[in-house]
Amino acid sequence: GAGVSQSPSNKVTEKGKDVELRCDPISGHTALYWYRQSLGQGLEFLIYFQGNSAPDKSGLPSDRFSAERTGGSVSTLTIQRTQQEDSAVYLCASSLGAGIETQYFGPGTRLLVL
Amino acid sequence: DQQVKQNSPSLSVQEGRISILNCDYTNSMFDYFLWYKKYPAEGPTFLISISSIKDKNEDGRFTVFLNKSAKHLSLHIVPSQPGDSAVYFCAANGGSNYKLTFGKGTLLTVNP
Repeated sequence: GAGVSQSPSNKVTEKGKDVELRCDPISGHTALYWYRQSLGQGLEFLIYFQGNSAPDKSGLPSDRFSAERTGGSVSTLTIQRTQQEDSAVYLCASSLGAGIETQYFGPGTRLLVL
Repeated sequence: DQQVKQNSPSLSVQEGRISILNCDYTNSMFDYFLWYKKYPAEGPTFLISISSIKDKNEDGRFTVFLNKSAKHLSLHIVPSQPGDSAVYFCAANGGSNYKLTFGKGTLLTVNP
């Protein structure tokens, strides 16, 4: 079946603009995660959705970052008033459920803030 | 505070030889460990995992070894192939913590 898909694959924006990144998880996966990878760094957890539970937002770096998941499927990560330090690859992953489950990643969105 | 460390940023091996990628962790709550492979411009691809109740897991050319007392795991690739050239990330989670904590990755180059 189809894997995790993300759009856009690349995004170039000007400092101060808002951006929206989209993630379509694997069908049937109830858990969805957002991570980001800055240059030369490992993947950094941002936010987690599991079913209808309140999301775990503990990894969001500032209140400029928000995410929602509609209908338990598609998720959108929004970055308001982008800064140059927001430049990174934003990766979405999904898994069958919560806890100790293998997470499957999408191809990522490469964000460059000028 | 890096809870998962991959101390070798890069590794180069000859085709047909063994590749050994190492990973150390500090959080004793971690009990599930994964290796992901990442090609440029692609997302990480799950490779192999191991639970803390095991000390070895094998899948074809890939074997992961876990030494809980040393808080160390390693990925062995035998024989190495040029197509294995990629960045390899070690990741861990545990208990009720579903968040994966990743190392910074090791770039493996397999030379023909």
